[in-house]
Amino acid sequence: DTAVSQTPKYLVTQMGNDKSIKCEQNLGHDTMYWYKQDSKKFLKIMFSYNNKELIINETVPNRFSPKSPDKAHLNLHINSLELGDSAVYFCASTYLGSDGVGYTFGSGTRLTVV
Amino acid sequence: KQEVTQIPAALSVPEGENLVLNCSFTDSAIYNLQWFRQDPGKGLTSLLLIQSSQREQTSGRLNASLDKSSGRSTLYIAASQPGDSATYLCAVRNQAGTALIFGKGTTLSVSS
Repeated sequence: DTAVSQTPKYLVTQMGNDKSIKCEQNLGHDTMYWYKQDSKKFLKIMFSYNNKELIINETVPNRFSPKSPDKAHLNLHINSLELGDSAVYFCASTYLGSDGVGYTFGSGTRLTVV
Repeated sequence: KQEVTQIPAALSVPEGENLVLNCSFTDSAIYNLQWFRQDPGKGLTSLLLIQSSQREQTSGRLNASLDKSSGRSTLYIAASQPGDSATYLCAVRNQAGTALIFGKGTTLSVSS
């Protein structure tokens, strides 16, 4: 199946821990994104990579570090987790230069920090 | 800075009604606009994409229109069904290198 796949689907961890979320797309897209959906369900952009190059870096704590080993993969590492990091994190992909291609989203990773 | 607003925030209708969801955006120079559906606890499913040069797109019982000059898009759902119950999200992309900016969504409930 062509898709955007995220792992894990659920992540429960204690404050202060370090965790990673992985994302892979097999759609051949050249640009990938991380979005955060807060408790009020609002979706906000965090990062974007185009062909392994960071192109969008919103105001996000330094504890969040994205990594893109190739254009099909975008991972998110979070250091020293805090209660406020609890949210659903979505990965997405698209073609950067085509207005005829929309975003495809992964199914999300629900992070709970206790 | 682009802002996207969706009205109403919530809508309840009986099965069979035709309905319209509204989306407005502050910067009319958009690249494209996309409507998504999100079921509770699930991911986002793309419904329709409208390119900046287009006025509308249709898929089954769904029709989305775009009026860039007035900064508005509408999603029309014909003959609503209980299975249409979900949150509908409107999102715009300003330029090729920018990210989708989302509205806060309209939560639709269709009763049988």
